[in-house]
Amino acid sequence: LAKTTQPISMDSYEGQEVNITCSHNNIATNDYITWYQQFPSQGPRFIIQGYKTKVTNEVASLFIPADRKSSTLSLPRVSLSDTAVYYCLVGGYNKLIFGAGTRLAVHP
Amino acid sequence: GAGVSQSPSNKVTEKGKDVELRCDPISGHTALYWYRQSLGQGLEFLIYFQGNSAPDKSGLPSDRFSAERTGGSVSTLTIQRTQQEDSAVYLCASSIWGGDRGTSSGNTIYFGEGSWLTVV
Repeated sequence: LAKTTQPISMDSYEGQEVNITCSHNNIATNDYITWYQQFPSQGPRFIIQGYKTKVTNEVASLFIPADRKSSTLSLPRVSLSDTAVYYCLVGGYNKLIFGAGTRLAVHP
Repeated sequence: GAGVSQSPSNKVTEKGKDVELRCDPISGHTALYWYRQSLGQGLEFLIYFQGNSAPDKSGLPSDRFSAERTGGSVSTLTIQRTQQEDSAVYLCASSIWGGDRGTSSGNTIYFGEGSWLTVV
């Protein structure tokens, strides 16, 4: 299973763009990259998934360079409600191991 | 149901008692996962079921923990002789696909709201 490394925490302000980068140096050829969001007292929620280049949905964008050894979750114009823990997962064909995640705090 | 359903949502039990936590996955999902999350901590993998294959139990912390999945659907996580350190939220998740490479999309898992266990 590919190990992931993310910053432990980040701070931002309302209206700013937030980019969270995840390193996954030993990603396998068939591995996908998936990001989850978790609010306090709730289970993680799927945000976005990609294999290469760029993926965009109504919530976020995911940028994956050609070597796929890292990925960046981009949250445009964050609000207070985006305060949460964000997890990067690689693989997903069997058991999924979550890292510590990145605690994002959005300030007024 | 539309999502992963877990019960009970909250459970307070005395040290030494056994508890059972239930997970009802999304209909049609072949893979089922159990995780544990202590307050302020990350998700700890416990066990993974995929179809009729033998479950991956590598994350179970001790032999007091066991899980089964009946009929490829509902799963029960049992904790025997509970200890205070077992207090946590137990999260169940399911996915429609897992264990086979080479398909056109990755594996997305969907979580329930968790069962909050407090051992007193």
